[in-house]
Amino acid sequence: DAGVIQSPRHEVTEMGQEVTLRCKPISGHNSLFWYRQTMMRGLELLIYFNNNVPIDDSGMPEDRFSAKMPNASFSTLKIQPSEPRDSAVYFCASSSKFLRDEVNGSDTQYFGPGTRLTVL
Amino acid sequence: DAKTTQPPSMDCAEGRAANLPCNHSTISGNEYVYWYRQIHSQGPQYIIHGLKNNETNEMASLIITEDRKSSTLILPHATLRDTAVYYCIVRVNFGNEKLTFGTGTRLTIIP
Repeated sequence: DAGVIQSPRHEVTEMGQEVTLRCKPISGHNSLFWYRQTMMRGLELLIYFNNNVPIDDSGMPEDRFSAKMPNASFSTLKIQPSEPRDSAVYFCASSSKFLRDEVNGSDTQYFGPGTRLTVL
Repeated sequence: DAKTTQPPSMDCAEGRAANLPCNHSTISGNEYVYWYRQIHSQGPQYIIHGLKNNETNEMASLIITEDRKSSTLILPHATLRDTAVYYCIVRVNFGNEKLTFGTGTRLTIIP
């Protein structure tokens, strides 16, 4: 398996532009997570989906951010309009809830390589 | 999820065992201890997890104290490629999918 795939790997845009980040989870995984990492705030969860349904979006900073998961193999995170403070590395991760073992309790999250976003 | 406390940084000589401590004194009975690491510019990588028993896999060993208030991640023979930020996370596995990352420990392996 190729692992979690994210695109683009780097994005440079100007303030006010729309930015769309893409993620392809590991095949068979039914949970998908979007995280953001900055020097100031570290790694923080933005939103996660189970079976394509958003479960918790409390980490989404404001209405400029939106995420969709139209099917089990694709998700997008959109920022419109973008601002310089959105500059960060955005990570996508996936896991399989159904592989969870009640004894070991594992639902390991596998992370993609990230998208480094710079908003000028 | 319970909060964890880790030293901000540690050094370890190449080839030696790296022992990374983590305090989680408010851990609940149904919370697991997870370790992830993040090598520079990469996504976090799962290492190991456990509930109350010591665990070992091909990457590391996890030692959890009997009262579960602290744990130690052991990298038995550290290499330069183990230089990374290591995160200790406690979380339940049912009904809460979040990984809440703290500041972690920046481990530097010295040649």
